[in-house]
Amino acid sequence: TQLLEQSPQFLSIQEGENLTVYCNSSSVFSSLQWYRQEPGEGPVLLVTVVTGGEVKKLKRLTFQFGDARKDSSLHITAAQPGDTGLYLCAVFSGAGSYQLTFGKGTKLSVIP
Amino acid sequence: NAGVTQTPKFQVLKTGQSMTLQCAQDMNHEYMSWYRQDPGMGLRLIHYSVGAGITDQGEVPNGYNVSRSTTEDFPLRLLSAAPSQTSVYFCASSYLKNTEAFFGQGTRLTVV
Repeated sequence: TQLLEQSPQFLSIQEGENLTVYCNSSSVFSSLQWYRQEPGEGPVLLVTVVTGGEVKKLKRLTFQFGDARKDSSLHITAAQPGDTGLYLCAVFSGAGSYQLTFGKGTKLSVIP
Repeated sequence: NAGVTQTPKFQVLKTGQSMTLQCAQDMNHEYMSWYRQDPGMGLRLIHYSVGAGITDQGEVPNGYNVSRSTTEDFPLRLLSAAPSQTSVYFCASSYLKNTEAFFGQGTRLTVV
């Protein structure tokens, strides 16, 4: 069973559209991270959310942590081709919470 | 700043050969880890280390060995390569758990 379920797996939209991607789990987490990975590169951290119900904004990206701290969403307003990439959510899990575990990601393509 | 440096960037091995993937970081991070990324499988944790001399297994450790003799270096060894180990490998480091993970650019390994 996957600890983190991300949906959708793939998303292809036109430039200027809005979109939301999701990261869900049945477990409760003290924090959750979102990363973006571009082709040929390693993931890069976008944001960390730590409080239930927390909303963080990063320009056109809005991140929300669920009230129960089991899920999170990423909303992009007026998507641009530069937003194209693989969006990954991740949590620290396992004994001592040292293991950073990732979801399988949402692959976003923004078409000009 | 160099950040996390992985070498080599590309490698082709024959089944049964051994090799070491190198990872070095210059940020004095205690926590380092190795992941493999396969299509449809996301990033899966192979091994991790919480400090020099301390290593532990992640989700998919079989076929891989690690050691951590210094804070800066965390090599990943394949003792007898198998085609199932064909993947893109990422090394990551972070200052503490629950903080930002910095990734290298990856090593694309093909085992034939």
